[in-house]
Amino acid sequence: DIQMTQSPSSLSASVGDRVTITCQASQDISKSLNWYQQKPGKAPKLLISDASNLRTGVPSRFSGSGSGTDFTFTISSLQPEDIATYYCQQYHSLPLFGGGTKVEVK
Amino acid sequence: QVQLVESGGGVVQPGRSLRLSCAASGFTFSNFAMYWVRQAPGKGLEWVAVISFDGSNKYYADSVKGRFTISRDNSKNTLYLQMNSLRAEDTAVFYCARDINVAQFYYFGMDVWGQGTTVTVSS
Repeated sequence: DIQMTQSPSSLSASVGDRVTITCQASQDISKSLNWYQQKPGKAPKLLISDASNLRTGVPSRFSGSGSGTDFTFTISSLQPEDIATYYCQQYHSLPLFGGGTKVEVK
Repeated sequence: QVQLVESGGGVVQPGRSLRLSCAASGFTFSNFAMYWVRQAPGKGLEWVAVISFDGSNKYYADSVKGRFTISRDNSKNTLYLQMNSLRAEDTAVFYCARDINVAQFYYFGMDVWGQGTTVTVSS
């Protein structure tokens, strides 16, 4: 079975900072990875599909990269409204989410 | 607009059953695979089950296999999750979600989500 390791589990950054989250798969999943944002009390929102494809309407400060086993999600300039938990999810096999990264503002 | 609305959650005793529903609108329901995803209190997202667009293929997480059944009625634009032999660890918010792509026997992830319905398993 594929395992997904997401890190860090939480981070604190200042408005305007560059934020990076990583997701590692236990085996090659090509580019079969999505990134979601979940704000407290709300349903998740798909931000990036196929590792790097920014979904329509999602601000360009969000980006994703990687293939194979190592993936990166970046917020180029953290905004107050970006406070949320972010999840990676692989679809190379049946869906599996990473453990999540809670992003807070300093 | 594209919308998913879950219902059927509530408080249930361990060992009992519950059926969740998810009403879809604003898109051609029969063209998309559909998911159930849950989130235990204070925990991360856990995929529960997926059903193909035509209902012919169904897959389950190991944690619910043999206890939960996913189904759909394309004539009613509705997705279901029958949950039997419920356990305390099934306590969660349950979300239904739509697959990203149309009419595939491959599961790409979730691009539309409902607001969730809460299931609490407690005596």
